[in-house]
Amino acid sequence: NAGVTQTPKFQVLKTGQSMTLQCAQDMNHNSMYWYRQDPGMGLRLIYYSASEGTTDKGEVPNGYNVSRLNKREFSLRLESAAPSQTSVYFCASKPDSYSNQPQHFGDGTRLSIL
Amino acid sequence: QQPVQSPQAVILREGEDAVINCSSSKALYSVHWYRQKHGEAPIFLMILLKGGEQKGHDKISASFNEKKQQSSLYLTASQLSYSGTYFCGTGTGSGGSNYKLTFGKGTLLTVNP
Repeated sequence: NAGVTQTPKFQVLKTGQSMTLQCAQDMNHNSMYWYRQDPGMGLRLIYYSASEGTTDKGEVPNGYNVSRLNKREFSLRLESAAPSQTSVYFCASKPDSYSNQPQHFGDGTRLSIL
Repeated sequence: QQPVQSPQAVILREGEDAVINCSSSKALYSVHWYRQKHGEAPIFLMILLKGGEQKGHDKISASFNEKKQQSSLYLTASQLSYSGTYFCGTGTGSGGSNYKLTFGKGTLLTVNP
């Protein structure tokens, strides 16, 4: 049971480089989410996709883009990485965009930007 | 706007009880609780929905007071395995294309032998 798989697990970038974080789920979920987690800040929503073919901005979308490639995959792209984007990134999914369903999280991608 | 969790941190001895609170400035429809151990993914604990539902499993339970726009997580007879950071996530609607959770900053719970 893979659940939500994120790749890579670790990455170091230089300022200005670009990078795509990959997320795939095998639970046939419709809704997918990207969060960043910084010390003392909790989980902050970057972008989400309520269903295949739709994407929307969350609380902190600046500097990021997303693609819902298909029902399984939701990628997050940093076009020109900045040190402020050093963080742990979590992808999550849930069956649908209803309030009574839990989110399932991947193991995270630890990203450092020098 | 992020919900406010209190306390920020709590240290317990095994067997002691703890309460973690989550308050919002907005009217809430649902509250989700997650636990995260260091270096791991958040794990779902429970969901509370508008209507005063109280959910729980084992010795962890929670309540939801819609009028006060807050939820509390109760951990009784704590075990070492309860250590971690607890997050509440609040939702202001029942669902739909704009549905999303807003998470608090977390409460670090440490249970010592």
